[in-house]
Amino acid sequence: DADVTQTPRNRITKTGKRIMLECSQTKGHDRMYWYRQDPGLGLRLIYYSFDVKDINKGEISDGYSVSRQAQAKFSLSLESAIPNQTALYFCATSDPVTNTGELFFGEGSRLTVL
Amino acid sequence: DAKTTQPPSMDCAEGRAANLPCNHSTISGNEYVYWYRQIHSQGPQYIIHGLKNNETNEMASLIITEDRKSSTLILPHATLRDTAVYYCIVSYNTNAGKSTFGDGTTLTVKP
Repeated sequence: DADVTQTPRNRITKTGKRIMLECSQTKGHDRMYWYRQDPGLGLRLIYYSFDVKDINKGEISDGYSVSRQAQAKFSLSLESAIPNQTALYFCATSDPVTNTGELFFGEGSRLTVL
Repeated sequence: DAKTTQPPSMDCAEGRAANLPCNHSTISGNEYVYWYRQIHSQGPQYIIHGLKNNETNEMASLIITEDRKSSTLILPHATLRDTAVYYCIVSYNTNAGKSTFGDGTTLTVKP
């Protein structure tokens, strides 16, 4: 089983709908991140969390919110989805104890907003 | 965090070494160089990282110039499965997750 699991892997929704993407990890890492990737481009940071209930905005947080109620889970919400939020979303973790800076990514959640 | 510049694409013959360059001329003294790769649309996979010295692991070697303004990732014997987008990132090890992933280099390994 994957150490960083994202659900759903694929989702098609309509404009205006609320969507939640879930990320859970079994690595025991305190730090978790949400990224967005548009076709042919690199990853951009949406939000990150260094501990339970710690929330920090990334480069492109507008239109998104997150929740970190437990160490193992970090959820990303789109309160009212719009078509330009169609993208591939990745969750990642890192370990501040070893502090190597290595990121561990999930397999991604592909979101299509019609 | 320092930004990086990578060529958008490169080709390599199967079995040959793939040398992927990265420029990071504004790197700070304690910033590390990290390399990841992304196969198709899967989650990026960590390859290697270094601070000043050259590094080698089972996947690749990382050569960092003495002035640390550029680096090269070397895949010694490229296979078709190494076809991927390769990202070079410069970051403090405590801030790695907040780094910007640029557009990377698309490496195509050809038979």
